[in-house]
Order: sequence, then structure tokens, then C-alpha cells
Amino acid sequence: SQTIHQWPATLVQPVGSPLSLECTVEGTSNPNLYWYRQAAGRGLQLLFYSVGIGQISSEVPQNLSASRPQDRQFILSSKKLLLSDSGFYLCAYRTGGIYGYTFGSGTRLTVV
Amino acid sequence: DAKTTQPTSMDCAEGRAANLPCNHSTISGNEYVYWYRQIHSQGPQYIIHGLKNNETNEMASLIITEDRKSSTLILPHATLRDTAVYYCIVRVASFGNEKLTFGTGTRLTIIP
Repeated sequence: SQTIHQWPATLVQPVGSPLSLECTVEGTSNPNLYWYRQAAGRGLQLLFYSVGIGQISSEVPQNLSASRPQDRQFILSSKKLLLSDSGFYLCAYRTGGIYGYTFGSGTRLTVV
Repeated sequence: DAKTTQPTSMDCAEGRAANLPCNHSTISGNEYVYWYRQIHSQGPQYIIHGLKNNETNEMASLIITEDRKSSTLILPHATLRDTAVYYCIVRVASFGNEKLTFGTGTRLTIIP
């Protein structure tokens, strides 16, 4: 069966520190992968999506970057975190068809 | 993707049917209506989707008007666990359309 893993579940990082969030998908090949962010009390904002290894599309300019080193691995990074990077980060995948997207359990990042 | 309009919030008594409306007056003929929900601190969960016929699954029913300009998600017997933000999304189901964007949704509160 298809599953999606995100870690860590929670993270507290100081301003100016680096960030690396990892997302992996199992049970499927060549999925489309997505990173979303949800600030406190706000809606979901699409940050990046990828349709294949090494292919990254960025939706909004920001202090973050994404990479896809392997087919089922999607990484969200930052060299220096800002306070405004705090939020709930969600990874999602899609494998075609009309059933849409499956989301991971999310990482709650607090930048202090 | 067509724009959708949903009420900001709704309350429903436990055990009653919850009816969540969504307007999508600019929907195109090849666009599907999708519903997701997000329980607090979790990733969004797929509920149901439809094109033009009414649909029902184990979670909910979807009623789409004949002109397809609006739809209603029905949770037939709401429980406290149905308290969540519900998102109505209209989009083409083809695999080439990769960006799933969420609006602000409807915050449904089930009242004991």
C-alpha cells in the first residue's frame, strides 16, 4: 500500500539556524510531490512541487528551497531560518487518477 | 482552477446532518469538485469528489446542482470527530495540472 512519511513531527529551531525536513513516499513510483505551509490560523499555502527527480517548481519567493534527490524523497531546506518561517509544514503526493492528493502528518516548526 | 466560495464557519448539532455549501460559478465542463477536510494539527484528508452526478461514499454525500455552479457536502450524522476545516476545491483532474490550491475553507464545529 502507499504511505507517506514526514519527520520530525515537531521542531524548535533558533533564528538563523539551518533547516532540513524530509518526506518519503512508499508503495508507488514517480509520484508528484508537494510542500505546503500553514501559518497559525491561516490556510494552506503551496510552496513547492516536483514532477520528477531534480525538477522543482517554486510557487512563492521565500527563504526556503526544495530538492528531490530520489524518486520518492522530497526535502525542504533553509540555510538561515527566520521567525516568519514558523508554521505547520505538510508534504503531499499524487500518483495520477482523479483521487487527488495524500498528505503526510506534518511537521510543526517553531522558530525562536 | 475555478474559484470557490465557502462560508467561513458553521455549527451543527451532534447527530444531525451537516450541510456545507460551496459556490463555484465559473466552473468549466472538465473540472471536478473535490472536498477535503483538515482536523486540527493534521494533514488534509480526501473526502469525496464528483463531476456532475451526485456521489456518496462511507464518509459523505456530494450534491452538485444541475448547472454545476454550486455543490453541497453532506455529513449525514455528524459526530464530534467531524469538527474540522472543510475545503471545496474545483480543478481539472488530468495529471498535467499539478497545483492543488486551497482556499480558507469552512470551519465546521459540531456541538454536543
